Amino acid sequence: NAGVTQTPKFRILKIGQSMTLQCTQDMNHNYMYWYRQDPGMGLKLIYYSVGAGITDKGEVPNGYNVSRSTTEDFPLRLELAAPSQTSVYFCASRDSQETQYFGPGTRLLVL
Amino acid sequence: AQSVTQLDSHVSVSEGTPVLLRCNYSSSYSPSLFWYVQHPNKGLQLLLKYTSAATLVKGINGFEAEFKKSETSFHLTKPSAHMSDAAEYFCVVRRGSGNTGKLIFGQGTTLQVKP
Repeated sequence: NAGVTQTPKFRILKIGQSMTLQCTQDMNHNYMYWYRQDPGMGLKLIYYSVGAGITDKGEVPNGYNVSRSTTEDFPLRLELAAPSQTSVYFCASRDSQETQYFGPGTRLLVL
Repeated sequence: AQSVTQLDSHVSVSEGTPVLLRCNYSSSYSPSLFWYVQHPNKGLQLLLKYTSAATLVKGINGFEAEFKKSETSFHLTKPSAHMSDAAEYFCVVRRGSGNTGKLIFGQGTTLQVKP
């Protein structure tokens, strides 16, 4: 199993550009999550999904969108990138024992 | 509402000495609590979890944590630190009583291990 994979690893965006962060898991988990981690801080939940076709907002959803068309994939869309979205983004999936498995992260810099 | 407070932002120990990382929680429900570790430029990995079974929870790499309801604490310990333990550690509580699995993270404790 590859676990949770994320692409790209690093990206620089200009203000106002858009991009999609990709997340894929091969563990057949229904629950998936997107977090952001700012320097010196814990992770904050952006969006989550409890299964294909079902998504909901987390603590900090503004400026982001998600979709969940398959169990495996949970892309995160940034529209009109802003400097405040400079962060490290982690995707995770959860098993039935409440363990979350995290991807390696995507570092995003918005200039 | 649920929350966690990690009492130390930075802990420094010598290799071979005990490790103590402190965490207090606040929860309206019987909480589910976790410790995650993050090595530099890596994703997070689960160390251990408490979900209302035994109050002393053993995790990977020799770590353990004790749930103390009277003190609302869930401190992480290890008898003897190894250089490879140097990392960021997060105390985490599950949000709410539902089963969506949403987590609330503490701000993290950086563990430095000196030779």
